[in-house]
This record gives sequence, structure tokens and C-alpha cells, in this order.
Amino acid sequence: AQSVTQLDSHVSVSEGTPVLLRCNYSSSYSPSLFWYVQHPNKGLQLLLKYTSAATLVKGINGFEAEFKKSETSFHLTKPSAHMSDAAEYFCVVSGDTGTASKLTFGTGTRLQVTL
Amino acid sequence: ETGVTQSPTHLIKTRGQQVTLRCSSQSGHNTVSWYQQALGQGPQFIFQYYREEENGRGNFPPRFSGLQFPNYSSELNVNALELDDSALYLCASSPSYNEQFFGPGTRLTVL
Repeated sequence: AQSVTQLDSHVSVSEGTPVLLRCNYSSSYSPSLFWYVQHPNKGLQLLLKYTSAATLVKGINGFEAEFKKSETSFHLTKPSAHMSDAAEYFCVVSGDTGTASKLTFGTGTRLQVTL
Repeated sequence: ETGVTQSPTHLIKTRGQQVTLRCSSQSGHNTVSWYQQALGQGPQFIFQYYREEENGRGNFPPRFSGLQFPNYSSELNVNALELDDSALYLCASSPSYNEQFFGPGTRLTVL
């Protein structure tokens, strides 16, 4: 069975400082991993995805994540936080590659950005 | 390109009633998945349809059922509503490779 663990339920950073949202995964397969963002009263937006190509994945809005198989981690980072980054972030694992399959979500990390 | 749309946006029902939620897939996508997101939680997989056939189901009782139509739009039906069914219901469509695009969701309140 596949699963993800988001290690922080809430992260608070100052605007202009780095962001680190931590995620560990468990999967029997070679996983596909994603980060989604959900702004209040909005749907889920894909930030980035890893599907067994380059281990450092660049996404939208300056976010990136590094797949580390030895640590079973897929942490999300951004060099400089912006107020508009305040939202709920979900780390997601999918077990199958090449076909659409069920996504297993973490419990989410709420990112707060302060002035 | 039209994104994933869902209707209605909000819905209030009473316990024991039945509800139907609708989803229009993104153009060219033949797979649709439904998720339930309770308040303060991550989305939970309900089921997935591929070319009108159920293609996987999560840990939800049979009173949660679905349909996918030839144009790849979809319905989620929930019978005998319970208070715990109150949640945001998300639909996601995908082409045959592994990426899902989410609609804005339907917020269901069961009183």
C-alpha cells in the first residue's frame, strides 16, 4: 500500500525567507509523486510532479522538490516566500506510471507567510 | 481548453436523502476520479472511471456510486446521506497518463 506522511501540519515563514515543506513516502512500486496546492475555497492546483525522470523537479511559482529514494523523501522548497504562497499544500503519491490511477494524499501542511 | 467543471458548487441536504453531483471532464480526458475531502483533511479516493467502467475503488460503502457517460462526464451518487458525508467532493479528470486535473469541488452539507 502506498502512503505519504507530511511531517508538519503548519509552517510559518516570513516573506522573503526560504520555504521547506517536508514529505516522506511509502510505496511498493516506483512511485510518481506530486505536490498540489489548495488556496482557500479553491480547487487543487498541481505545483509539480516526479515520474522517474530527473530527481530535482521544478514546478510553477518558483517551487521545486527533490526526490531522494534513499531517504524516501520528496520535500518541497522555495527560495523566497511570497504572501500569495499562503495556502494548504498536499504531498501526493500514485503507484502506477503510464496510466491514471488513484492518488493518495497526505494530511496537508498549512503554509502561513507573515510580513 | 475548458477545464474540469463541477455542479452544483454548494448543496444542503438532510440525513437520509440522496444526492447527485456532476462533473464535466477536461477535453480529451477519458478518466475521471472522485475524492472526498472532509474539513481539515486531505482528499480521500472514492473511485475512478475509465471509458465508462469503474477502474478502482477506495474504502467507501456501496451507497457511494458513480457513472461515466460516453462524453466522459461523470456523476457521483450518494444514497442514505449521513452527517459524516458532509465534505468537499472533488472530481479530477486525466488523460491516459498519470496526471490528474481537479475541478473546484462541490461542498455538501448534510443536516
